Amino acid sequence: EIVLTQSPGTLSLSPGERATLSCRASQSVTREYLAWFQQKPGQAPRLLIFGASSRATGIPDRFSGSGSGTDFTLAISRLEPEDFAVYYCHQYASSPWTFGQGTKVEIK
Amino acid sequence: QITLKESGPTLVKPTQTLTLTCTLSGVSVTSSGVGVGWIRQPPGKALEWLALIYWDDDKRYNPFLKSRLTITKDTSKNQVVFTMTNMDPVDTATYYCARRIVGSTSFDYWGQGTLVTVSS
Repeated sequence: EIVLTQSPGTLSLSPGERATLSCRASQSVTREYLAWFQQKPGQAPRLLIFGASSRATGIPDRFSGSGSGTDFTLAISRLEPEDFAVYYCHQYASSPWTFGQGTKVEIK
Repeated sequence: QITLKESGPTLVKPTQTLTLTCTLSGVSVTSSGVGVGWIRQPPGKALEWLALIYWDDDKRYNPFLKSRLTITKDTSKNQVVFTMTNMDPVDTATYYCARRIVGSTSFDYWGQGTLVTVSS
């Protein structure tokens, strides 16, 4: 099983600041089958990034993904009020597909 | 417009079998490349992938739970049916169904989720 470890657990930032979220895998994620989801309270997750760096349909370009192998990053260039949420990374390269434990981006 | 909607019981007793249905609209469960998965999330915790079925009836299960899980399609109703046996209070969670397309993309459309509580 590929274990995904996200850091930090909580990120306290102000609107307009840049956010950098990390996801580290216990084994290499082949084919860069790594996705990022955003989840707000009471809502289903929303796909932001797939294939490590491809933005999903309708996702603003302030969201970007990068990385390969075991180290992946989600960056939000300038935080908007609606970006404060929990973010999960997810690997779908190897069964069982797994999720990280989440990073909460909160308003400072 | 693609939508998915989960339905099923909100409360089940320990040892009972949970059956949930995912009804799709705007996309067929038999369309080439379409997969429908089930993911759950205990209150305040992270997401856990459970099972997935593809348009060609290829099925994938989380190996840690495989003995308890079954996923099938009802093509006449455009639905995916998920069952989990021997429910326990630790299985209390919001259960989501979600669509993905074969290839590099991930779950791009999600249902709203349904909270299932396991309690006697």
